[in-house]
This record gives sequence, structure tokens and C-alpha cells, in this order.
Amino acid sequence: NAGVTQTPKFQVLKTGQSMTLQCAQDMNHNSMYWYRQDPGMGLRLIYYSASEGTTDKGEVPNGYNVSRLNKREFSLRLESAAPSQTSVYFCASSELGGGRARFGGVAGELFFGEGSRLTVL
Amino acid sequence: GENVEQHPSTLSVQEGDSAVIKCTYSDSASNYFPWYKQELGKRPQLIIDIRSNVGEKKDQRIAVTLNKTAKHFSLHITETQPEDSAVYFCAASGADKLIFGTGTRLQVFP
Repeated sequence: NAGVTQTPKFQVLKTGQSMTLQCAQDMNHNSMYWYRQDPGMGLRLIYYSASEGTTDKGEVPNGYNVSRLNKREFSLRLESAAPSQTSVYFCASSELGGGRARFGGVAGELFFGEGSRLTVL
Repeated sequence: GENVEQHPSTLSVQEGDSAVIKCTYSDSASNYFPWYKQELGKRPQLIIDIRSNVGEKKDQRIAVTLNKTAKHFSLHITETQPEDSAVYFCAASGADKLIFGTGTRLQVFP
């Protein structure tokens, strides 16, 4: 099992360019997430997909879009990159999730990808 | 929504000493509190978690305590070793997602 795989690992963009970060998991997990990590800011949730067919905004969704292509894949798109989006991006998945009502109120362990370092000039 | 605060942001200890990292959360409905460790250049990985129906959980040299009334939880590492050096993140379960604290960089000096 590869776990959570995200690509690319490194990317340099110019302001205004677009790109898509790809994420795939082979653990048959229901929920998938995109976080960004900046120094001193911890891991901030951008978007998540509690189950196949649904997506929701996290803490910092502005400037991003996502697509849950199928149960395995969850992509993050930057339509017009800005220097403020320079960050390390982590995709993650979990078996449980989907809200307190759906899974009895308990989130599950997150499995993270290796991260994608994005620089916007 | 949920808000998680974590302190201290950096912590330096001598090998063999104990380290304590504290977090507070805002949503009284949160019921799952994991801790993740991130070594330099690596991905975060779960090291221990606690659910709201227990007050303390131990796993060898690490332990987590939870005070639901005060809405705070703590990570305790005893007999620290150089390989414990890393960034540690606490988190709390929001409605259907985990919200993380800002992290604590722990340095263990030989």
C-alpha cells in the first residue's frame, strides 16, 4: 500500500498562473482533506470531502477549488496563484469522518501525504 | 467553529527531562483530541489520541490528559530522548474535521 500519494512534490509558479495538486489514497478511506502549513501557523484546513460526492470549505478556502473525482482522488486547484499561497500543502485521508451525526461524533486518524512545496513568485 | 490554541511555541529540554505541551479548545462539543508529531521535512504522524470519555491515556513515555470542564488537554513526554525532537501538533475534532493548533517545536539536547 502506498497510503496517500500527492503530486507534484515541488512547484514554482508565477503570480497569476494556475495549477492543480493531485492526491490519491489506496486505503479505501471515506474522508479526504487539504491542509496548508506555514511557519507559526500550524496546519490550516483549506477544503475537505467528508465522503465521495461532497466537498466543504475549511478555515482558509479563498483562492482554491477542489474536486473529489472518486473515492480515491481529491485534487486542489489554484486558479490564479498569488504569493500568499506560497506554502507546503498536505493532503490527508481518514476512514472515519463525515460529521458527528454520521459517524457517532468521532473523527479518525489522519494519514498524510508527503507534502507539496509550492512557491509563487 | 472550533479554535485550538497551543503553548508553548518552542520548548527546549535536556535529555532525560520531561516535556509538557498544553492546548485549549473552544467547542464544548468536540470529543476527539489527537496529537501529531512532525519530524523535520516529514509528514505529520499520529502519536497518541484521547476521546472525551476518558481523562488520561498513556503509551510508554507519552501520555495525554484531558479536562473537558476546562476545555484543555496536554501532552506529557517523560525521559525525553534526542529523537523526540520534532514539531508537535494538538488537534480537536470540529463538526466533521480536525482543527489543529499552531504547533510546538521541541528540542531535546543531549
